[in-house]
Amino acid sequence: TQLLEQSPQFLSIQEGENLTVYCNSSSVFSSLQWYRQEPGEGPVLLVTVVTGGEVKKLKRLTFQFGDARKDSSLHITAAQPGDTGLYLCAGALSVTSGTYKYIFGTGTRLKVLA
Amino acid sequence: DSGVTQTPKHLITATGQRVTLRCSPRSGDLSVYWYQQSLDQGLQFLIQYYNGEERAKGNILERFSAQQFPDLHSELNLSSLELGDSALYFCASSVGGGLIYEQYFGPGTRLTVT
Repeated sequence: TQLLEQSPQFLSIQEGENLTVYCNSSSVFSSLQWYRQEPGEGPVLLVTVVTGGEVKKLKRLTFQFGDARKDSSLHITAAQPGDTGLYLCAGALSVTSGTYKYIFGTGTRLKVLA
Repeated sequence: DSGVTQTPKHLITATGQRVTLRCSPRSGDLSVYWYQQSLDQGLQFLIQYYNGEERAKGNILERFSAQQFPDLHSELNLSSLELGDSALYFCASSVGGGLIYEQYFGPGTRLTVT
């Protein structure tokens, strides 16, 4: 069974603090995505990383794909209450040429207090 | 609003019954994905269709089946329902079926089996 472990599971921080969420697996992924999900809604894609070692920045969010494409991290600088939500990583595993199945992480529930 | 619609929003049914969940993808999207999200299992990929054909299969039970119709809408059929099938079921769509295409998630159908 392919698993994507996320840590921490829960995180409650004050506005303005920095935080890092980790996503780890023993499997090698063709790509890794990060999503944010609000209560009662579907996940919304934040970023896709494809190349080992790749770093992408989205305003205060920095995403990194591990060199071996087995792990990833999401770093948020100066967190704001609007960052509150469930953060999910998802890895794409190649099934056949051009087709993939998607493994989602266990999730990190972030709460940013004003 | 992602542009993906799912009906019904809520569904309550008894064990042993059969239900059908419906998904309409975003205009122009050819690929549809089905996911199950429960508290203990997280978000699980079930199955993907591309332009009417099954493309990839995840952790879909034999009691579950899906199809994508010529107008590209998709249905997920769940039969012989068990208490453990209670979950949020999400549909997502993308333009293509490969790795680089962003998936847009619908609002989900909450299924409660009593």
